[in-house]
Amino acid sequence: AQSVTQPDIHITVSEGASLELRCNYSYGATPYLFWYVQSPGQGLQLLLKYFSGDTLVQGIKGFEAEFKRSQSSFNLRKPSVHWSDAAEYFCAVGLNTDKLIFGTGTRLQVFP
Amino acid sequence: DAGVIQSPRHEVTEMGQEVTLRCKPISGHNSLFWYRQTMMRGLELLIYFNNNVPIDDSGMPEDRFSAKMPNASFSTLKIQPSEPRDSAVYFCASSFRRDGKNIQYFGAGTRLSVL
Repeated sequence: AQSVTQPDIHITVSEGASLELRCNYSYGATPYLFWYVQSPGQGLQLLLKYFSGDTLVQGIKGFEAEFKRSQSSFNLRKPSVHWSDAAEYFCAVGLNTDKLIFGTGTRLQVFP
Repeated sequence: DAGVIQSPRHEVTEMGQEVTLRCKPISGHNSLFWYRQTMMRGLELLIYFNNNVPIDDSGMPEDRFSAKMPNASFSTLKIQPSEPRDSAVYFCASSFRRDGKNIQYFGAGTRLSVL
């Protein structure tokens, strides 16, 4: 069955530090991959997406993610974190249907 | 575009009462999704529609839950009767499939508290 794993439930970083959030998926075919961010009290906002082509994808707010087929991973990165990046981050896999399978999320805390 | 619009943003009701959540998808989108988010279970897909037709309702918890999409610009999720365990944030999302690719856009959610 298809699944998405975000192994880190909670990550804490200092402002200005680099960030990498991990995402692994289990899916038989080439997946469509997404990262969403959810700020407190808000809905999910799309950060970036991968459908095909260049495996390094740029998104909004200075985020990027790299698709690695050999590792079944789609990790999210940012070179320098800002306090406003504190939020919950969800990785998702798009199936051949219209459905998305979401990971359980990683809560990011940023210290000044 | 105003994005996906959900109402109300907050709903507090008593056990046994009927609750109706509303969603207006992005204009031109042809798929609509209802999700429920709780601390214990995370984000769960309840049901989704394509061209106003329910495609997959396997996530609907039980018969107390029902969803309708009478037209392309409006959907409702109804809980009757409501129970305290229904307390959660309910999200609506919409999407448009093009070239096999489908991106979901989420509303701000309705926070439901059943007392």
